Amino acid sequence: TQLLEQSPQFLSIQEGENLTVYCNSSSVFSSLQWYRQEPGEGPVLLVTVVTGGEVKKLKRLTFQFGDARKDSSLHITAAQPGDTGLYLCARTNSGNTPLVFGKGTRLSVIA
Amino acid sequence: DARVTQTPRDKVTEMGQEVTMRCQPILGHNTVFWYRQTMMQGLELLAYFRNRAPLDDSGMPKDRFSAEMPDATLATLKIQPSEPRDSAVYFCASGLGNTQYFGPGTRLTVL
Repeated sequence: TQLLEQSPQFLSIQEGENLTVYCNSSSVFSSLQWYRQEPGEGPVLLVTVVTGGEVKKLKRLTFQFGDARKDSSLHITAAQPGDTGLYLCARTNSGNTPLVFGKGTRLSVIA
Repeated sequence: DARVTQTPRDKVTEMGQEVTMRCQPILGHNTVFWYRQTMMQGLELLAYFRNRAPLDDSGMPKDRFSAEMPDATLATLKIQPSEPRDSAVYFCASGLGNTQYFGPGTRLTVL
């Protein structure tokens, strides 16, 4: 099993602060996805990154895929309480195949 | 707005009882996944189907778990007999292309 390590495990910050969370593996990813999960709900896809060095932006969220396709980061600018949740990265192969998830970063943004 | 539905949302049962969880995938999605989420292990694949045929159930304890798709609109996950270590949130996801859509989960507590 190709493990995904996510860090930090927990993060509590004040509204308006910036933060970065990380997803690392010793193996190369075909592609990687980031999900956000809110309490009592299933994970919701935020983004898919495929190309080494790729950067994608989703409003205040910036996703980066490492050049070697072994790591990824998620940066949130000016965090808001609505960003609170569990952020999960998942390794995917091409086509609709099972996801392998990291254990996630649990983010709490305090107003 | 098409969604994956799961029933029941919560289930409390006693050790040794049979538990059946149901999932209605999004119409037109040909791949259905069952995942289990615990604090210790995170999200892990139990089984998945494509065009109703089981492709991989290696994540399931074979002696007590079974997964089926009686038709394209229903997937079931059964545990018999249930044990306290089965307590977790069970997610169904249906997929199209490289995107999986998760249901809200069934929270199972086995006393």
